[in-house]
Amino acid sequence: QSALTQPASVSGSPGQSITISCTGTSSDVGGYNYVSWYQQHPGKAPKLMIYDVSNRPSGVSNRFSGSKSGNTASLTISGLQAEDEADYYCSSYTSSSTLLVFGGGTKLTVL
Amino acid sequence: QVQLQESGPGLVKPSETLSLTCTVSGGSISSYYWSWIRQPPGKGLEWIGYIYYSGSTNYNPSLKSRVTISVDTSKNQFSLKLSSVTAADTAVYYCARTRGGPIFGVVTAVDYWGQGTLVTVSS
Repeated sequence: QSALTQPASVSGSPGQSITISCTGTSSDVGGYNYVSWYQQHPGKAPKLMIYDVSNRPSGVSNRFSGSKSGNTASLTISGLQAEDEADYYCSSYTSSSTLLVFGGGTKLTVL
Repeated sequence: QVQLQESGPGLVKPSETLSLTCTVSGGSISSYYWSWIRQPPGKGLEWIGYIYYSGSTNYNPSLKSRVTISVDTSKNQFSLKLSSVTAADTAVYYCARTRGGPIFGVVTAVDYWGQGTLVTVSS
């Protein structure tokens, strides 16, 4: 069982917006602004999409945005494109001895 | 552009030690945390541990008794050893560069990943 909770799957049509949630506790998501999001295509390494809750690395499309409210962080993808179909993982620093925890992953299907 | 490349055996026998090395190119190993992360087939990501370039380490408590991460700054490499492996340790193992926060030991995000290497534990 993962430390952070994500929906197993979400779907949307091209051009639409979707949001993926990531729920933790006050020891991780709620306690620190160190939530990150990763995109993983089949057979590939994860790619950093969002760090520190809402910051985009250079080269990541501005269609990807992140936010946080309480113990839940969210990744929103606007203007869905076929290439966005992938697995998405959230992660957070945690004050527990584990230090870095991941969500179980969400499979995004572009209909 | 920083690049990371894992190397090591793809098959390890049960009860033996898994050993992997990560070679960093395109940048110095200094001033960052360097992590190992694994992903069992069809499952999610699990952080194994990190080493700071100075040699300071931190491990996932669930693996701590079996894990050793070391660094060789002269070769721009860091390594993973996982002892007493079982079939449950079969996974794709990634080496990765990890950002640090303003307080030492706080790791915030993984910004560069190796391509990953599948390690199968089987006799």
